[in-house]
Amino acid sequence: QVQLVESGGGVVQPGRSLRLSCAASGFTFSSYPMHWVRQAPGKGLEWVAVITYDGTNKYYADSVKVRFTISRDNSKNTLYLQMNSLTPGDTAVYYCARDMVPAAMTVFDAFDVWGQGTMVTVSA
Amino acid sequence: DIQMTQSPSTLSASVGDRVTITCRASQTISTWLAWYQQKPGKAPKLLIYKASTLENEVPSRFSGSGSGTEFTLTISSLQPDDFATYYCQQYDGAPYTFGQGTKLEIK
Repeated sequence: QVQLVESGGGVVQPGRSLRLSCAASGFTFSSYPMHWVRQAPGKGLEWVAVITYDGTNKYYADSVKVRFTISRDNSKNTLYLQMNSLTPGDTAVYYCARDMVPAAMTVFDAFDVWGQGTMVTVSA
Repeated sequence: DIQMTQSPSTLSASVGDRVTITCRASQTISTWLAWYQQKPGKAPKLLIYKASTLENEVPSRFSGSGSGTEFTLTISSLQPDDFATYYCQQYDGAPYTFGQGTKLEIK
């Protein structure tokens, strides 16, 4: 079945780095753009970043631009989020999600498959 | 950035009720709007995309309408499984902003 499984979350001190992974299965991962979305405890959803199916184009929310990097390894069916210079404001559950339209390069669509999320806590 | 505003923030209703949630965009987004359902501790689930297209296997009691800046999600007859938080999201352009959510509670 179509599945996304995030990993890599944990507790990290402010200013440190963390890399999240999202393992995909059950579909042709290399054909789809992929997103990261986060949700702070008790709060709403915040889109973080998107990467095109081939990794060529990447777009970020202003709140994470420069600090976070989205990437993918299509040979491993895995999406990544490298998070640097973390602050307490980055504390959230991080979800990876599939864009529902394959091969989109600059215009993206709704998110039809979501992982279960991984918790990132930034605290001293 | 496009701001998405949902109303109400909380809605109390009973099983069998018809309920409507509204989502307004700060600028026109055509029909590039999705609705998601989220239950506590779970990932969001796509219900509707392109403002009115029902995702596969989503019950037909859910429907969406609207275009431009005003959109609605309607549940025609609430079922116990429908009590959850609902989010709208625009995907007209980055950043792909969500509404603040509407929590649907049992009256």
